[in-house]
Amino acid sequence: DIVMTQSPLSLSVTPGEPASISCKSSQSLLHSNGHIRLDWYLQKPGQSPQLLIYMGSNRASGVPDRFSGSASGTDFTLKISRVEAEDVGVYYCMQGLQTPFTFGPGTKVDIK
Amino acid sequence: EVQLLESGGGLVQPGGSLRLSCAASGFTFPNYVIRWVRLAPGKGLEWVSAIGGGSDTKYADSVKGRFTISRDNSKNTVYLQMNSLRSEDTAIYYCARVFYETSGNYHGADHWGQGTLVTVSS
Repeated sequence: DIVMTQSPLSLSVTPGEPASISCKSSQSLLHSNGHIRLDWYLQKPGQSPQLLIYMGSNRASGVPDRFSGSASGTDFTLKISRVEAEDVGVYYCMQGLQTPFTFGPGTKVDIK
Repeated sequence: EVQLLESGGGLVQPGGSLRLSCAASGFTFPNYVIRWVRLAPGKGLEWVSAIGGGSDTKYADSVKGRFTISRDNSKNTVYLQMNSLRSEDTAIYYCARVFYETSGNYHGADHWGQGTLVTVSS
């Protein structure tokens, strides 16, 4: 199985400041079509998960442009350019290359 | 409007069974893969199972042989039959849709239901 790790596991951020979450996969997530099978999800308190980024760097519909994703080999990064209060929750990366699909352990983000 | 609505959760004894349903509306249902993902108390998200439009199925090792996923495209509904339930299956179960292009590109799980709670306890 592909193992996903994330760091940090918790993050306290001042509104208006940037934030960055790292995710690493135990093997390449490069699909045969040349695209990365890596998603980022956010689960806000009391809500269902929501898609932020798919294929490593594509922002999902309706996601603010302060969120961005990047990939380099087996390293992936989610960046929030300016954190807002509504961004609190648990952020997960997930590999969608091969089953069983696997999530990272999650990064809990709160506001200072 | 795209909607996914889970139902069928509840309290069940260890070794018991439940059938979850995921009713979809607002999109061309047969064109989408449907996934089940769960969130156990104090844990992170865990992928459970998936079914394609052609009814090809995949399972996590933790549920293989105990859970069965199926779909009825005439009813726009996916089912998750859960047998031999264990305490570790206690979780909120979410269904989500995923679109795969013929090129292999995909768009992630872009819509999720509100979840249904399954509690396995004596």
